[in-house]
Amino acid sequence: GAVVSQHPSRVICKSGTSVKIECRSLDFQATTMFWYRQFPKQSLMLMATSNEGSKATYEQGVEKDKFLINHASLTLSTLTVTSAHPEDSSFYICSARLAVTNTGELFFGEGSRLTVL
Amino acid sequence: DAKTTQPNSMESNEEEPVHLPCNHSTISGTDYIHWYRQLPSQGPEYVIHGLTSNVNNRMASLAIAEDRKSSTLILHRATLRDAAVYYCILFRRIQGAQKLVFGQGTRLTINP
Repeated sequence: GAVVSQHPSRVICKSGTSVKIECRSLDFQATTMFWYRQFPKQSLMLMATSNEGSKATYEQGVEKDKFLINHASLTLSTLTVTSAHPEDSSFYICSARLAVTNTGELFFGEGSRLTVL
Repeated sequence: DAKTTQPNSMESNEEEPVHLPCNHSTISGTDYIHWYRQLPSQGPEYVIHGLTSNVNNRMASLAIAEDRKSSTLILHRATLRDAAVYYCILFRRIQGAQKLVFGQGTRLTINP
């Protein structure tokens, strides 16, 4: 199946710093990527939809200035958590959809665990 | 977003079949039924999807009720590696809103 890779898998940062997480589709082109956040023992919460070459669409309640998303190419999307605080500590997961499919299946990255001290 | 209802948890024994139910009574005619699973500390993994007919792949089978208001994911012979949270999700193909929204899922425990 299609492969999506995230980097870094784990990051620890100090409060007030910014952290960038990369999401790459390794063997296919992804016109659309999605970013999710997951707190312990909870389900995934969709944060935003990222379309190549255009601005991301954020879900209600997600601060676009806090979580900057860039999708500059068909194989790379980045999520930057700006001025991170301890409450931003979470498991961030990206996913991508094959450009040629419209039946919905997503391929997920391994996730990035962010810990803000 | 179209809603699905799943049991919070289920338990089964190794090498036995597992039937994971999902209710989706508000499903519309063009909604696809998707199943994903998530192992601890990993991203979700695609399992199977279908529209109207039953589907089989190397991982599982998907049985869809005739009225499409419910479906069942079938693991034919469970192994310990199948222990995960299983999510049943409806994918609605609406222009500009093609996203997957996860519910709470079913936590499947496999006993050795």
